[in-house]
Formats: sequence, C-alpha cells, structure tokens
Amino acid sequence: NAGVTQTPKFRILKIGQSMTLQCAQDMNHNYMYWYRQDPGMGLKLIYYSVGAGITDKGEVPNGYNVSRSTTEDFPLRLELAAPSQTSVYFCASKPPVGTDTQYFGPGTRLTVL
Amino acid sequence: DQQVKQNSPSLSVQEGRISILNCDYTNSMFDYFLWYKKYPAEGPTFLISISSIKDKNEDGRFTVFLNKSAKHLSLHIVPSQPGDSAVYFCAASAGSNDYKLSFGAGTTVTVRA
Repeated sequence: NAGVTQTPKFRILKIGQSMTLQCAQDMNHNYMYWYRQDPGMGLKLIYYSVGAGITDKGEVPNGYNVSRSTTEDFPLRLELAAPSQTSVYFCASKPPVGTDTQYFGPGTRLTVL
Repeated sequence: DQQVKQNSPSLSVQEGRISILNCDYTNSMFDYFLWYKKYPAEGPTFLISISSIKDKNEDGRFTVFLNKSAKHLSLHIVPSQPGDSAVYFCAASAGSNDYKLSFGAGTTVTVRA
C-alpha cells in the first residue's frame, strides 16, 4: 500500500494562476480531507468528503474547490492564486468506522508570488 | 476560534529525561483525543490516542493522560530519545458522528544529546 500520496511536492505560482493539487489513497477509505498548515499554526480544514460525490466545506474553504468522483482521488483546485494561499497543504483519509485516526500524505508546499 | 490549544510552542529536553507536552480544549463535546508527530517535510503521523472513557493510555514510551474536568490532556515521553525531536500536534474529535479533527498549533520538541 502506498497510503496517501500527494503531487506535486513543491510548486511556485504567480498571483492569479490556477492549479490542482492531487491526492490519492489506496486504502479504500471513504473519508478524505484537505488541510493547510501555516507557520506556527495548527492544521486548518479546507474541505472534506465522506464519499464519492459528497463534499463539504471546512473552516477555511474560500479560494478553493474540490471534487470527489472516485473513492481514491480527492483533488483540490485553486482558481485564482493569492499570496495568502502560500502554505503547506496536507491531504488525509480515514476509514468510515472503527477509528477517528486520519492518515496523512507527505504534503505539498505551495508558494504564491 | 481555537478549540484546541497547545500553549507551549517549543520544549527542549535532555536525552533520557521525560518530555511532557500539554494540550487544553474548550469544546465539551470532544470525546476522542489524538497526538500526531510530524518531522520536517513529512506529513503528520499518528502517535497515540485516548477516548474520554479513559484517563490514561500507554504505548511503549508514550503515555497520554486525560483530565476531563480540567479539559486538559498531556503526552509523556519517557525516556526521550533524539529521534523524538519533531513537532507534536494535539487533536480532538466530537464522537463517531463527527469525522473531523480540530488541531492545536503544535509543540516543537528538541531532544539534546
């Protein structure tokens, strides 16, 4: 099992550009999450999904969009990048029952200049 | 509104001694608590958890204590080892129907040789 994988590892964007952060998991987990981590701060939930076709907003959804067409993939879309979106982005997944433990990917470090 | 607080941003401890990390929460609905460990350039990894029906959970060198009346939990690492140098995040969830986690800001632990 590869677990949770994220691509790319690093990216630099110019203001106003768009991009998609990719996230995939091979553990057949229903729940998937996107977080951002800013320096000195905890992880803030951007969006989450409880299954294919179902997504919902977290604490900080503005400026982002998600889709969940399959159980395995949960991409995060930035439409008009802004410097405030400079952060490290983590994707996570969790099985539907038996645990509250989420399993994290390695992260994508995004810089918007 | 920060519902999970880690008020010590950093902790330095000598190898072989005890590390004590603290976490406070404000939401009385939280009933499951987790600690994650994060190395630089990696995603958080699950370390240990505790349910609100317990006041202590132990796993090898790691013990988590929960004081529900004080809305406080702590992580003890005994003995501390150089490989324990990392950022530790406290997280909480509000039961099996709340599949989201709230994270603290993290405590950076440095174990000195």
